[in-house]
Formats: sequence, structure tokens, C-alpha cells
Amino acid sequence: GQNIDQPTEMTATEGAIVQINCTYQTSGFNGLFWYQQHAGEAPTFLSYNVLDGLEEKGRFSSFLSRSKGYSYLLLKELQMKDSASYLCAVGGRDDKIIFGKGTRLHILP
Amino acid sequence: ETGVTQTPRHLVMGMTNKKSLKCEQHLGHNAMYWYKQSAKKPLELMFVYNFKEQTENNSVPSRFSPECPNSSHLFLHLHTLQPEDSALYLCASSQVEGSGGYNEQFFGPGTRLTVL
Repeated sequence: GQNIDQPTEMTATEGAIVQINCTYQTSGFNGLFWYQQHAGEAPTFLSYNVLDGLEEKGRFSSFLSRSKGYSYLLLKELQMKDSASYLCAVGGRDDKIIFGKGTRLHILP
Repeated sequence: ETGVTQTPRHLVMGMTNKKSLKCEQHLGHNAMYWYKQSAKKPLELMFVYNFKEQTENNSVPSRFSPECPNSSHLFLHLHTLQPEDSALYLCASSQVEGSGGYNEQFFGPGTRLTVL
């Protein structure tokens, strides 16, 4: 079967660092995506990893280990506006993207 | 501005009504998608149109009927829906380069559907 697991909720403090983990088991692998979704809004693209390793983009970094079926999204210098859901998604066969349930991140002042 | 627009943004309908959701993408992409997002559930892929041909239908009930007249427009026709169909319906588009290619999807703002 196909399965993507990520924590349901996390809480962190403004200015701190938080790591959101994602594990996956899918048929076919065509890259791993992270999306951000604020309440009531559409998901927006954050990152894409297809090779093992760390991709850094400003305050956000994403890591992938294909052999372990594991990824994480690292958010540094947290800001209140980072309060949102973070969706892990895997590109599978036939141009499909399979989404996890998302991690709701709460930022405390 | 994401380049993908959806109308209406909110829709309330009775179980006997017929309505349509519209999606338009201004990004020159060749694939479009309908997703359903219910509370506490992951995004569920409903339909995929690749080069205007439907390539995926994830066992969606026939009360949902997609239409893709061209690569920029996508419709979802609704009839005799059930209250459990109430959800956020998201449209997305992407550029498909062939199997195994990068496939970032750009989402529209969604239509919040309530079925009474």
C-alpha cells in the first residue's frame, strides 16, 4: 500500500528551530515535496527533493533519505506567520502526487 | 496570485441541485487536477487530466463529473450530492514532461462546498 506519515501537530516558539518529520512507503518514487498551507488557503510549494541530502532555501531546509523512506523539513528563526499546516507529498507513478495528512504547526510568542 | 483561479469560492447547495465548479490556469501547463480536502484527512486526488485526456479517476462517485474542454480550463459538475461531500475542492495544474519528471503542482484557492 501507499502510506505517508507525519505528526499531526507541533508547537514551537518564535525565533526557535523546528523539524517536521515525514516517512513514506509508496509504489514508485518521483521526488518528495513539502507544501505550506495556511488555514483557508491553498497549499503553496516550499521544496522538492529527488536526491538524498539537504536542500536549503532561506530559513527553510528539506532533507531526504530515499533508502530510509524519510524526509524532514527544518524551519529556522521561526516567525508567527509560519503558523500553518505543512504537507509532505510524494511524487509517485503516472504523475500523481500523494499527500500526507499534514502537520499543523503552532508558533507561540 | 498563483496563476490558478477557481470559481465560486464558496458554494452551498441542496442534495437535489446541480452545480459546476470552474478552474482556470494561466501558467501554460498541460495537466490539471481536482482534489478534495476534508477536515482531518489528507488531500485526496479525484481526477487528473494530462494533455486534456483523463488519465486518473480515483474511484470517485459518478455524482462528480469532470470536464476538460482545453488545457487551460477544468470543470467539476456536481449533482445529487450528499452531506458528506462537503469539503474544500482544490484545483491544481502542473507541467508534465514525461514519466519520471519533476511535477510541482500549483494550486488554486479552492471552492468551499457545503451540501445541505
